[in-house]
This record gives sequence, structure tokens and C-alpha cells, in this order.
Amino acid sequence: AQKVTQAQTEISVVEKEDVTLDCVYETRDTTYYLFWYKQPPSGELVFLIRRNSFDEQNEISGRYSWNFQKSTSSFNFTITASQVVDSAVYFCALRGPGGSYIPTFGRGTSLIVHP
Amino acid sequence: DTGVSQDPRHKITKRGQNVTFRCDPISEHNRLYWYRQTLGQGPEFLTYFQNEAQLEKSRLLSDRFSAERPKGSFSTLEIQRTEQGDSAMYLCASSPAGSGTDTQYFGPGTRLTVL
Repeated sequence: AQKVTQAQTEISVVEKEDVTLDCVYETRDTTYYLFWYKQPPSGELVFLIRRNSFDEQNEISGRYSWNFQKSTSSFNFTITASQVVDSAVYFCALRGPGGSYIPTFGRGTSLIVHP
Repeated sequence: DTGVSQDPRHKITKRGQNVTFRCDPISEHNRLYWYRQTLGQGPEFLTYFQNEAQLEKSRLLSDRFSAERPKGSFSTLEIQRTEQGDSAMYLCASSPAGSGTDTQYFGPGTRLTVL
């Protein structure tokens, strides 16, 4: 069975602070895929990143960066110099190889960035 | 390039009534997914289509729920004899074929309130 744990229910920061959202996963598959989505108050989930299990290289996209560590089964997401527009619920998701490509989502972390 | 659209955005109904939601996927995507999301939770998989074929259904999809994708384009999700426990956000997502391009793109959702 697959499981995604986002232990942080809510994080509150002041603008310009750096913030890291944690994601820990469980799977017996050797091939798997990890995702992060952002859900702003409007409700639509916005795709941020997809990472396969064979690519442990960290990725940076503007103020966003992701740290994938298979040794600790973690795929953490860092926002540098946070902005009010980053306020949203962030979901980490995991899916196994092949089949129906259905991901298992974590419960999400609500990020509130205060001006 | 238009994204995934859903209609209606909000639906309020009385217990026992039937409701139907529509999802229009991104035009070149042949996979379409329905999810349900309740407050404080991540999206939970309901069902999945590849073209017009419904390939997988979750145990969450009781016999009061039915989904169709008759021409492999738009899809409908119908809930018969609604119950208060059906109140949730219903999300639709689409993706292209192929394990290397399976990232799901979500619509804005339909928020259902059953009184």
C-alpha cells in the first residue's frame, strides 16, 4: 500500500521568510513518481513538479526548490522569500508504476503568508 | 490552450435529489479522472476513464454514483438520491497517455452542498 504523510497541517510565516513543507512517503515499488500540487483559495489544484524515483537530483524553479531523498523517503518543498501569493494548501502525491496512474495524495499543508 | 473546465462550480441541493456534474478535459488528453475532496483532506480517487472506457472505480463510488464519458471527450458524474455525506468538492483531472506524460491537470472543481 502507498501512503503519503504531510505532518504539518498549517504553517504561518511572515513575507520574505523561507519555508519548508515536509512530505514523507511509503511504497514497496522500486519505480514510483512523486508530485507536488498547489491549491489556492480558488480551489483548482495547480501542478508544480513531477519527479521519478530514479532521479534524486534536487530541482530549483525560481523561488521553489525540492529536495528528494530516497534514504529517508522524503520529498520536501522549500519556498524561498515567501510572498502573500504563496498562501495556499500544498499537496504531495505518490503513484506507483504503470496501471491507471492514480496518485495517492497527502492531507495537505496549509501555508499562510502574512504581509 | 484551455485547461480543464467543470460545470457547475457550485451546486446546492436537497437530500434525496439527483445531481449531475460535467467535466471537459484538455482536448488532447485521453485520460480523465474524478476525485472527491472533503475539508482538510487531499483528493480521493473515484473513477478513471481512458477514452470512453471506464477502467477503474474506487470503493468510494457507491451504487448511487455513476460516471460516463460517451464519446471519449467530456464526462459526467451523476449522484442519485444525494445524502448529506456527499457534500464535498468534486474534482476532475485529465492527462495524456503514456507513463512519461501522466501528470494530471485539474479543473476548478464543483462544490456540492447537500442540505
